[in-house]
Amino acid sequence: DGGITQSPKYLFRKEGQNVTLSCEQNLNHDAMYWYRQDPGQGLRLIYYSQIVNDFQKGDIAEGYSVSREKKESFPLTVTSAQKNPTAFYLCASSIVRSSGANVLTFGAGSRLTVL
Amino acid sequence: AQSVTQLGSHVSVSEGALVLLRCNYSSSVPPYLFWYVQYPNQGLQLLLKYTTGATLVKGINGFEAEFKKSETSFHLTKPSAHMSDAAEYFCAVSESENRDDKIIFGKGTRLHILP
Repeated sequence: DGGITQSPKYLFRKEGQNVTLSCEQNLNHDAMYWYRQDPGQGLRLIYYSQIVNDFQKGDIAEGYSVSREKKESFPLTVTSAQKNPTAFYLCASSIVRSSGANVLTFGAGSRLTVL
Repeated sequence: AQSVTQLGSHVSVSEGALVLLRCNYSSSVPPYLFWYVQYPNQGLQLLLKYTTGATLVKGINGFEAEFKKSETSFHLTKPSAHMSDAAEYFCAVSESENRDDKIIFGKGTRLHILP
C-alpha cells in the first residue's frame, strides 16, 4: 500500500545533540512538507519542498535543516540550535497540481523528547 | 496572507447529538478549505475539502461543511455524534491562486463525546 513512513516513532535526545527524523513516501508525490505540532498550537510549517534538490523555509525553520536528494525522501535534522525541540513532528506529501487543491497525505508522526 | 481561526479548543457533545465545529478564515483570494481529523498519536486524515462549485461539501464518516463566503466561514457538522468521532479536528486554508500553495492550519478543536 502506498503511504508515508516516518521513523523513529519515538525518539529521546540529550540537550546539545542533533537528531535526524526520517520521512519516506512511495506515493510518487512531488511535494513534501515537515510540520511541528505542539499542544494547542496546531501545525506549524518548518520546511517544504516541491521538487528534488530544492526546498523552502516555512514559518519556523530556525534550528532545523532538511535535504531533498531523492523524490521519495525528505529527512529533517533537528539541530542543537533549536531551543525547544520537544514536539510531535509530522511529515506530509502531495502532488503538485497546475490547478485545484493540493491535498496533504500525512505520516504517523515522530515524537521527539529532549531530556 | 491567509489565516484560520477555530473557535473553541475543546468541544463536548453527547452521543447522538449534533456536532458543530467552527472555522473562520482570512484570505485575499478565493480560498481552498479543508477539514482534517487526527486520532491520538497519529497523523492527520482528510475529512473533506472545498475548492469550487457546490458550497456544501460532504466528507467521510457522515461529516459535512458549508462554505459561506459572506461570513468567511467553513463550519464542520455531523447530525449525530458517535463515540468514534472523539478526536482532534483541524481546519486549513490555502490560496487558490498561489501556486506556492502553503496550507495554513488552525490550532485545532478537540471533540469529546459524552456517553
